[in-house]
Amino acid sequence: AQSVAQPEDQVNVAEGNPLTVKCTYSVSGNPYLFWYVQYPNRGLQFLLKYITGDNLVKGSYGFEAEFNKSQTSFHLKKPSALVSDSALYFCAVRPNAGNNRKLIWGLGTSLAVNP
Amino acid sequence: ETGVTQSPTHLIKTRGQQVTLRCSSQSGHNTVSWYQQALGQGPQFIFQYYREEENGRGNFPPRFSGLQFPNYSSELNVNALELDDSALYLCASSPRQGINEQYFGPGTRLTVT
Repeated sequence: AQSVAQPEDQVNVAEGNPLTVKCTYSVSGNPYLFWYVQYPNRGLQFLLKYITGDNLVKGSYGFEAEFNKSQTSFHLKKPSALVSDSALYFCAVRPNAGNNRKLIWGLGTSLAVNP
Repeated sequence: ETGVTQSPTHLIKTRGQQVTLRCSSQSGHNTVSWYQQALGQGPQFIFQYYREEENGRGNFPPRFSGLQFPNYSSELNVNALELDDSALYLCASSPRQGINEQYFGPGTRLTVT
């Protein structure tokens, strides 16, 4: 079965330090990859996506993500974390083959940035 | 702001009742997807509408149904509510099917007692 894994329920970093939120997937073909962020009591906001091309994708709020085809990973990164980055982060993958091409979502990773 | 709006914001219903949730998609978007997000979980895909036709469905029973209107706004209807239906219901719109990112509304918090 196709799936998306976010192996860490929670990530804690100090403000100013680099952060990484991990995502791996098990989806056939060359899927499209997305990161979304959810602030408390809010809907999800799009951060960035990988469709094709350069493996390093830059997105909103200084976030970037690195696509690694051999490791089937799409980790979210930011060089210097802010307290305001504290939120719930979701990785989502859209298969690009087969009959079901709807987004498959990870369970989310809660990021806490400490002052 | 994303431009996607949902109503109502919060709703309390009792088991067995029916509920209708509404979504106005962002201008120019003809595809609407509905998700259920239980507390502490990721979004679960319910179904998607593209140009007023259902275009894919997740693992939800038939008592979850929907509509999309000519102006691309959408409704989610849930019959015979169960306690486990308590969740945040999210609507997302996108310009077309495929690789475009989705724009989410703030959600409707449904509580079934």
